[in-house]
Amino acid sequence: DIQMTQSPSSLSASVGDRVTISCRASQSISSYLNWYQQKPEKAPKLLIYAASSLQSGVPSRFSGSGSGTDFTLTISSVQPEDFATYYCQQSSATPLTFGGGTKVEIK
Amino acid sequence: EAQLVESGGGLVQPGGSLKLSCAASGFSFSASDMHWVRQASGKGLEWVGLIRSKPNSDAAAYAASVKGRFTISRDDSKNMAYLEMNSLKTEDTAVYFCSRHYYAGNYYYFDLWGRGTLVTVSS
Repeated sequence: DIQMTQSPSSLSASVGDRVTISCRASQSISSYLNWYQQKPEKAPKLLIYAASSLQSGVPSRFSGSGSGTDFTLTISSVQPEDFATYYCQQSSATPLTFGGGTKVEIK
Repeated sequence: EAQLVESGGGLVQPGGSLKLSCAASGFSFSASDMHWVRQASGKGLEWVGLIRSKPNSDAAAYAASVKGRFTISRDDSKNMAYLEMNSLKTEDTAVYFCSRHYYAGNYYYFDLWGRGTLVTVSS
């Protein structure tokens, strides 16, 4: 199975800060990497697919980069509505696997 | 508008069974691979399994943690997907989400999710 490791597990940020979340795969997954945002009591929401493609309707302050084993989600200027938990997920092979999540909190 | 609605969750004793349903609307269900993902309270997301569309072989696949106990099926005539859970364990307690797997070229991702249904396994 492909293991996905996210870091950090949590972070505190102020509105307007640049936020970076890392995700590492245990083996190469090319660009088969997706990012989701989840707010409490809600279903996950797709932000980025294929490592760097922005899902329709998602603000351009979100961006993704990377390939192979190392990936990054960046929020260029975090807004109040961005405080949530973020998950990476590999779609290279079944079983599909998610990272452990990164909780972005207000400083 | 595309939508997924799960139902069938509830309280069940260890060793018991439960069948979850996922009602789809607003998109071509028969052409879509459907997945189940679960989330224990305060924990991360865990993929449970999938059922492929008939054009895509109609086959199912499962996470090791549920293989042999859970069965995923679909009824394209009713736009429904199902998750039948047997020999339930306390560690199966979670919110269960139904999700559509969308294909864009060589890439695929979960682009549509239901709100989830809570399964509690407890005596």
